[in-house]
Amino acid sequence: GAVVSQHPSRVICKSGTSVKIECRSLDFQATTMFWYRQFPKQSLMLMATSNEGSKATYEQGVEKDKFLINHASLTLSTLTVTSAHPEDSSFYICSARFSSGNPEFFGPGTRLTVL
Amino acid sequence: GDSVTQMEGPVTLSEEAFLTINCTYTATGYPSLFWYVQYPGEGLQLLLKATKADDKGSNKGFEATYRKETTSFHLEKGSVQVSDSAVYFCAMDSGNTGKLIFGQGTTLQVKP
Repeated sequence: GAVVSQHPSRVICKSGTSVKIECRSLDFQATTMFWYRQFPKQSLMLMATSNEGSKATYEQGVEKDKFLINHASLTLSTLTVTSAHPEDSSFYICSARFSSGNPEFFGPGTRLTVL
Repeated sequence: GDSVTQMEGPVTLSEEAFLTINCTYTATGYPSLFWYVQYPGEGLQLLLKATKADDKGSNKGFEATYRKETTSFHLEKGSVQVSDSAVYFCAMDSGNTGKLIFGQGTTLQVKP
């Protein structure tokens, strides 16, 4: 099956710093990648959709200047949480899709803790 | 609007019991339907899918049938194991937006 990796799996940072999370599709080219946020015991909340080579589309209520998304290639997307605060602590999950109509394949997630 | 509703958990079963997790959807078009499973501390894994009415998705002993008449996609397994303990998410692919819409998730706990 298709494999999506995320790095790092866990990160702890100080308030005010920026954190970058990488999402890679290892064995397929992903035209679209998605970034989700998951709070404890809750479902996934879609943050943004990114297509390779174009700007990400953010969901309502998600600050695009705070959550910077770059989809530089068909196998890599990055999410940068800028000036992180404790309320940004969460589980961030990316997914990748080959093309519309195909299922999304999810990464293992990144646990971000902001002190 | 489009939405997915799952039965609330947690669902607690003994090993080898029969499992049903209900899922219903509301959609304006004809979505594809999915079940994802999330083990503790991990991301989601695709468990099974169905793309049109009356399709049955199956994997690892789990199965679900796309029922257009009842707008349902209930997950079933005949005999659960402790290793099946996880959170299960029902989802649909909204054809109009290309985005996945998730249910709230159902936690399954299987006891020996």
